[in-house]
Amino acid sequence: DAGVTQSPTHLIKTRGQQVTLRCSPKSGHDTVSWYQQALGQGPQFIFQYYEEEERQRGNFPDRFSGHQFPNYSSELNVNALLLGDSALYLCASSRSGYNSPLHFGNGTRLTVT
Amino acid sequence: AQSVTQPDIHITVSEGASLELRCNYSYGATPYLFWYVQSPGQGLQLLLKYFSGDTLVQGIKGFEAEFKRSQSSFNLRKPSVHWSDAAEYFCAVGAWAAGNKLTFGGGTRVLVKP
Repeated sequence: DAGVTQSPTHLIKTRGQQVTLRCSPKSGHDTVSWYQQALGQGPQFIFQYYEEEERQRGNFPDRFSGHQFPNYSSELNVNALLLGDSALYLCASSRSGYNSPLHFGNGTRLTVT
Repeated sequence: AQSVTQPDIHITVSEGASLELRCNYSYGATPYLFWYVQSPGQGLQLLLKYFSGDTLVQGIKGFEAEFKRSQSSFNLRKPSVHWSDAAEYFCAVGAWAAGNKLTFGGGTRVLVKP
């Protein structure tokens, strides 16, 4: 049973560029959340997708957007990259409903130069 | 708003010694509480969770945590640490009303001395 898979594992981009990160949830999970983890800090909630819609959003600018596909996989898009966007981006999946803990992927390390 | 504080940024412990990591949370309603562990370059692995019921919860790898509502705490413990326990540990709080959104603390890095 595959867990949460993310691609790519590492990415280097230049300021002002755009990036797309991908996530496949754990089998049986229908909800996908994205978190940003800056170096030396805890993960920060970006947004959550369920039924192909953004259900919740954290305190991130509109440059951060996402999508969920009918097979529950998800993408995170970041436009106009800033140096401060350098971080580990974690995808987490869960089953909708009560008492479903998050299962995390290994993340995508984004470096903006 | 939810918040989580992990007062200890770094803890060094000898192999075989006991370990306790502190976590304090702030949340108006009944919280769901979690401990996750992160090895270098890896994602987060769930160690244990508290939703309701018995306030002492057992997790994987020999870890346990105790929920104390009066102290707004959810401290993680392990009686005897192994070298493989060296990692970063994160406490997180969530709530059904928040739809599985988690708020994480800043983490505690555990170093294990031989």
